[in-house]
Parts: sequence; C-alpha cells; structure tokens
Amino acid sequence: KAGVTQTPRYLIKTRGQQVTLSCSPISGHRSVSWYQQTPGQGLQFLFEYFSETQRNKGNFPGRFSGRQFSNSRSEMNVSTLELGDSALYLCASGTGGGETQYFGPGTRLLVL
Amino acid sequence: GQQLNQSPQSMFIQEGEDVSMNCTSSSIFNTWLWYKQDPGEGPVLLIALYKAGELTSNGRLTAQFGITRKDSFLNISASIPSDVGIYFCAGFTTSGTYKYIFGTGTRLKVLA
Repeated sequence: KAGVTQTPRYLIKTRGQQVTLSCSPISGHRSVSWYQQTPGQGLQFLFEYFSETQRNKGNFPGRFSGRQFSNSRSEMNVSTLELGDSALYLCASGTGGGETQYFGPGTRLLVL
Repeated sequence: GQQLNQSPQSMFIQEGEDVSMNCTSSSIFNTWLWYKQDPGEGPVLLIALYKAGELTSNGRLTAQFGITRKDSFLNISASIPSDVGIYFCAGFTTSGTYKYIFGTGTRLKVLA
C-alpha cells in the first residue's frame, strides 16, 4: 500500500505570496490532518478534514485554509505569506477513529 | 496549541544502553502513538497502543499505555547509532472533539 504523499517537497516563496500544498492519503483513509512544525514550536495542529468536512481546527489565523476532495486528497493554502510561515508542513492520514495516523514526508516552505 | 508533557527533552546515551522516555497528561486518551522523526522527514509510526495497561513491542522498542490512560512510556533497549532522532508521543482523544495531541518531543543522541 502506498504511503502518504505530499507535493511539492520543497518550496521557496516571498512575503505576500500565497501557496498551495497537496496531500494524498493512504488508500481507504478518510481523515487528513495538517501540522506545522518549526524548531521552536514543535508540531502544531492546523486542521483536520474527514469526509470532505473540516472536523477540527487549531489556533491559526484565517490565512491558513484547507479543503478535502471526494477522493480524500487534501490541499492546504496559505495566503499573504509571512516570514514566520517558514516551516515543515506535514500531513497525516488515518481512518478517522483514532486507531493510527501516518505522516507524509512533509513540504518544507521557505518564505523570503 | 495544547501539547503533552514529554520527558526528557533530550538525552545523550552510549551505544548499547537502554533508553526510557514518557508522556504525561491531565486528560484521558483512547489511543497512544509513538513516532520517530529524522531530520527533514515526516514522523514514522513506531508503536500504537489502544487499551489501558497494554504493553506492546516492536523489535527493541517497547511501549505501554498507562493504566490511568493519562500516560505512556517508550523504552528502547540496546541502543544503536541509528536510533538518533526525535521521538514524539501522541494521544488521541474523543473528549469534545476527535483529535491527536502531541508531546513536545525527546531528542535522542547516541554516542558510539
């Protein structure tokens, strides 16, 4: 079974731009969660989608948004990028019931 | 965002030594997961625990779900250089909302 895939793996943007990251979950998984990881803050939960609906949301500004498609693939969008948005963005897929959660390799975003 | 108390924060050990780390919370969890993350990569699931008191092994790794459901520990026996990395615990809760809460991480360094 293929694992969680994320594209792109690396991205460089400038302040004020927007970015869209993509995540394809493990086949059969309906839950996709997004996390931001920085050296100082650790793993911070952004949001979770389950069956195309946002089920949970972390404490991030409205510049961070996401969606999930009918095939469970998910996208995350960050608008009006700030320097502090530089981070490793991880997505994780699961069945949705808490049994397990598997991470993708992450997208490393650098904002200049 | 909410994070679990994970200790120790970091540790240096000699190759061949045993390692122990734990996570504690004031909340009850239904599932405990343990991950290992290498630099620049996504966390890899090591062990999943589903019942209070459960003790599960994966090779040299052993983890236990605390009987109070508020804590978990991970042991690594006979450490080797490739055990270097950051270890995270995660608890899954259905209280209020379905979500995973992550520990702050334990950075392990093994001296050959």
